[in-house]
Amino acid sequence: GNSVTQMEGPVTLSEEAFLTINCTYTATGYPSLFWYVQYPGEGLQLLLKATKADDKGSNKGFEATYRKETTSFHLEKGSVQVSDSAVYFCALSGRGSYIPTFGRGTSLIVHP
Amino acid sequence: DSGVTQTPKHLITATGQRVTLRCSPRSGDLSVYWYQQSLDQGLQFLIHYYNGEERAKGNILERFSAQQFPDLHSELNLSSLELGDSALYFCASSDGTSGGLGADTQYFGPGTRLTVL
Repeated sequence: GNSVTQMEGPVTLSEEAFLTINCTYTATGYPSLFWYVQYPGEGLQLLLKATKADDKGSNKGFEATYRKETTSFHLEKGSVQVSDSAVYFCALSGRGSYIPTFGRGTSLIVHP
Repeated sequence: DSGVTQTPKHLITATGQRVTLRCSPRSGDLSVYWYQQSLDQGLQFLIHYYNGEERAKGNILERFSAQQFPDLHSELNLSSLELGDSALYFCASSDGTSGGLGADTQYFGPGTRLTVL
């Protein structure tokens, strides 16, 4: 079946540091890949997505590239802000299935 | 604001009781999903409804049930509650515009925090 593995957190960074959160997946066929973000006290919201190999999703300074050869979708940001502190979830959903598979989430804490 | 509403925001009840959580999807979305989020289990998919019909079941206990009404709002019923049912329950909706390609974005509500004492 489908699965998503994310690096365990928390990830603690200083403001303006570079961020990478690793995500690898197992799936049959060609899934769509997503990053969702959950701010404290809120529901998840889509951050970015990619639907085919080599696609790059980007939003709010965050980027992730769909790497089929390494089955990865790592999230990166060049300079994090305190307001980026949140939990980040990697997810996939396969063709023919509307049910996404979520990773366990990675907590990011950014200090001033 | 995702456009998905959930009530109540908080619910405190006792073991053995029954509660109902309510969700209204975004205007025009036909799909509703229910998830349970807990510290030890992460985000677990419970059940999916599309236009009033159950489409998929995940890790949903037999004590739990759901339905989607003609106006597309959905209710999740939790009965014979146990301490371990304490969690955040999220509802999400999607528009299904990817046509089965699996690229649909899910829009999450703010959640209902259930505490079972």
